[in-house]
Amino acid sequence: DAKTTQPTSMDCAEGRAANLPCNHSTISGNEYVYWYRQIHSQGPQYIIHGLKNNETNEMASLIITEDRKSSTLILPHATLRDTAVYYCIVKVIQGAQKLVFGQGTRLTINP
Amino acid sequence: ETGVTQSPTHLIKTRGQQVTLRCSSQSGHNTVSWYQQALGQGPQFIFQYYREEENGRGNFPPRFSGLQFPNYSSELNVNALELDDSALYLCASSLNMGLKETQYFGPGTRLLVL
Repeated sequence: DAKTTQPTSMDCAEGRAANLPCNHSTISGNEYVYWYRQIHSQGPQYIIHGLKNNETNEMASLIITEDRKSSTLILPHATLRDTAVYYCIVKVIQGAQKLVFGQGTRLTINP
Repeated sequence: ETGVTQSPTHLIKTRGQQVTLRCSSQSGHNTVSWYQQALGQGPQFIFQYYREEENGRGNFPPRFSGLQFPNYSSELNVNALELDDSALYLCASSLNMGLKETQYFGPGTRLLVL
C-alpha cells in the first residue's frame, strides 16, 4: 500500500471550513483514498473514500487531484465535535484489506 | 453507531497471563479485522478473518491468535502477555465483496498489562 503524508496538526475556527491535506504521490491505479477520524479513545470512524472523482456525503467532501497524488478532506462547517485525529489511508479495494494508519492530523476546532 | 460491538470495554491483566477479546460484526458483514493501537500511535493491523479463515496477518508474533465463528463474530487471543501488549484493541467488520469493503470499527477494548 502506498504511503501518505499529512500535517501533524491543524487548527480551525468553529463554523469555518476545515481543509485537511494529504499527499500520496506513490498511489497506484487500483488504490482508493480513505479517510477516517478518531475522537479521543474511541474507535476510528469512517468518513469517506474515493478513487479519482470528487466525493461528497453528509459528513465531508473529498477532493482528489487529477494526477491522484494528493487529496483534501473538507469539513464544510466545522464544529467542536469535529476535533479529532484524521487519518488519510490509501488501500487496494480488493484482496488484502488491511488499513495502514500513519500518524494522522490532529485537528483542533476552536470556539 | 456502526453496529460493531466489543467486549469487555476495559481489562487489567498481569504479565504472563492470557486474554480473550470478543467482537461482534455488523449485520451482513463477513470479515473481521483486528488492530492494536498503542498510546499515541495509529492502529496497527494484527490479522483478518474471512469466512472463518485467517486472511492476512500483520507483524505480530504467534502468541496473537484469533477465531471467527459461523455467525462471523470473532475472538482475539493473546498468550503470555507482556507489558508492551498494553493497548487499545480494535476490531473492524466489513463485507468482502468488491467495492463494499469499507471497514467499520467498534469502540475497542482497552487492555492494561501490569
